[in-house]
Amino acid sequence: DARVTQTPRHKVTEMGQEVTMRCQPILGHNTVFWYRQTMMQGLELLAYFRNRAPLDDSGMPKDRFSAEMPDATLATLKIQPSEPRDSAVYFCASGLGPSKAGEQYFGPGTRLTVT
Amino acid sequence: QKEVEQNSGPLSVPEGAIASLNCTYSDRGSQSFFWYRQYSGKSPELIMSIYSNGDKEDGRFTAQLNKASQYVSLLIRDSQPSDSATYLCAVKAGTASKLTFGTGTRLQVTL
Repeated sequence: DARVTQTPRHKVTEMGQEVTMRCQPILGHNTVFWYRQTMMQGLELLAYFRNRAPLDDSGMPKDRFSAEMPDATLATLKIQPSEPRDSAVYFCASGLGPSKAGEQYFGPGTRLTVT
Repeated sequence: QKEVEQNSGPLSVPEGAIASLNCTYSDRGSQSFFWYRQYSGKSPELIMSIYSNGDKEDGRFTAQLNKASQYVSLLIRDSQPSDSATYLCAVKAGTASKLTFGTGTRLQVTL
């Protein structure tokens, strides 16, 4: 049963702390996306990778967010330092790009609360 | 003006009726269009994709695309309570891989 996995599923942290979220894409998928979802803004693309190379991170606050793919089976999203406005659900999605990049498979998400 | 617009709803339809969800987009260069379903507290799930003008049917779902009017819709026939969810319209422009999502329409199917 191929699926995207994300850890942790829930994270509560205090303002100023570092947060690391991890994602394992579906085996064989070469494109990985990071999204953030809030009630106010909806689903926003933060960054995406193809074949582990970053293609677009224009949606990410550069001063505190960073995204990497150390290998084909792991993508990470880090926030340092975290702020209350970062509270949201963070989704990772994977797909086959570029021809089928719009057909994305989402992980269960990490619900982040920053107090 | 938002790039992808949807009525937030809720759209309430009785069981067995046809639910019609609409989406407009602003970028005329958009090439591919998708409908994702998101149950409360869950992640989005792809249910339909459409790439050319006209209708595309898959079971109880029909996606309709009109590029001239920059309009895409999703029809759900014989609506079931299990169809109650938020439906997200997503648009892909040109050769870029990124999707722009609308804020979603919440559908409620009543007994």
